Amino acid sequence: AQKITQTQPGMFVQEKEAVTLDCTYDTSDPSYGLFWYKQPSSGEMIFLIYQGSYDQQNATEGRYSLNFQKARKSANLVISASQLGDSAMYFCAMREGTIYNQGGKLIFGQGTELSVKP
Amino acid sequence: ETGVTQTPRHLVMGMTNKKSLKCEQHLGHNAMYWYKQSAKKPLELMFVYSLEERVENNSVPSRFSPECPNSSHLFLHLHTLQPEDSALYLCASSQSQTGETYEQYFGPGTRLTVT
Repeated sequence: AQKITQTQPGMFVQEKEAVTLDCTYDTSDPSYGLFWYKQPSSGEMIFLIYQGSYDQQNATEGRYSLNFQKARKSANLVISASQLGDSAMYFCAMREGTIYNQGGKLIFGQGTELSVKP
Repeated sequence: ETGVTQTPRHLVMGMTNKKSLKCEQHLGHNAMYWYKQSAKKPLELMFVYSLEERVENNSVPSRFSPECPNSSHLFLHLHTLQPEDSALYLCASSQSQTGETYEQYFGPGTRLTVT
């Protein structure tokens, strides 16, 4: 079973509008972390935002916010006021365990390709 | 300056060649990672080093051999690769404290083509 599911292979959004990218996860570990990364066509993975499983408030970083619904096991990324430069692949990832028992590894979803239209 | 650098950015090699990928992080982190990203697949973790010791090896074929001489440098030595090894290889680093790890910062990747 997939641990990270991104159900939207591709999304379109009009410039200056907000967009939500979906992510659901599956874990039995009470302590975990959720991450969103952006990968432009150049290939580099750019860290956007992090949410810890014990964090009470949703994480925000500039135009990025994470809609964390723990009971539903969802961690959707909201991008407000989309810009042309936001066009890229977006990956949701989860960290389970510590660096000593699972290497602190990130488990990635399959990604959502976002295209921002002018 | 970019926090994590990788060289070369592109590499084409034959199946009998031996080459190495290099990664360097300038963030003062103590953990480094190698990931493989094949087309249409999620990123796959290959190796993890914490404080220069390997802590995770995700059943990677022996034709891939990592080396971590210090906390800032990570290498991936390649030999007798197969065409299916063609992929984007990404290096990442993170800070680990008392076993917990934080966000990983990635380099730009090496796009490898095996002919």
